[in-house]
Amino acid sequence: AQKITQTQPGMFVQEKEAVTLDCTYDTSDPSYGLFWYKQPSSGEMIFLIYQGSYDQQNATEGRYSLNFQKARKSANLVISASQLGDSAMYFCAMGVDNTNAGKSTFGDGTTLTVKP
Amino acid sequence: DTGVSQNPRHKITKRGQNVTFRCDPISEHNRLYWYRQTLGQGPEFLTYFQNEAQLEKSRLLSDRFSAERPKGSFSTLEIQRTEQGDSAMYLCASSLAVASGGRGDTQYFGPGTRLTVL
Repeated sequence: AQKITQTQPGMFVQEKEAVTLDCTYDTSDPSYGLFWYKQPSSGEMIFLIYQGSYDQQNATEGRYSLNFQKARKSANLVISASQLGDSAMYFCAMGVDNTNAGKSTFGDGTTLTVKP
Repeated sequence: DTGVSQNPRHKITKRGQNVTFRCDPISEHNRLYWYRQTLGQGPEFLTYFQNEAQLEKSRLLSDRFSAERPKGSFSTLEIQRTEQGDSAMYLCASSLAVASGGRGDTQYFGPGTRLTVL
């Protein structure tokens, strides 16, 4: 079974500063993928970034980067230069990394508020 | 590029009624997923299809729930004899599974259908 833990129910950050959202995971599968999604108040889940368990480098997508520490089973999301539009709920998720896999397991999310 | 669409966006029904939701995935995607999300929690997996085959169904899903994807394109999720506990956001996602797995299975979500059972 897979489990995602997000221990920060809410986070605040000043506009233009960087923020780290924590995610730890547990799985017995040797190959897996980790995802981060953003969910604004409108409700739609927006894909942000992906990290494969065998990727040698941490993933980056624009202002988003994933701090992947495999031994510690953590996959923290770093948002640089926060903007007011970054205020949203952020979910960490995991999927088993093979063609027969399907579902993703989600954490309970972190609400990020960017202050002007 | 058209994203995932879901209809209706909102549904209010009385307890005991049947409801049906529709999801249209991204056109070239072969996988389609249904999730349920309640307030303050992350999405919870319900079921998924690869093309028209339903490959997995959550054990948490009661027999009142059924999903279909008859031609491997759009999908419907039906809830029979709705209960107040069914009130939630129902999310649909699609992905393009490729042989190498990994990022190719990134799921893209629709806007959801919010169900309220009175």
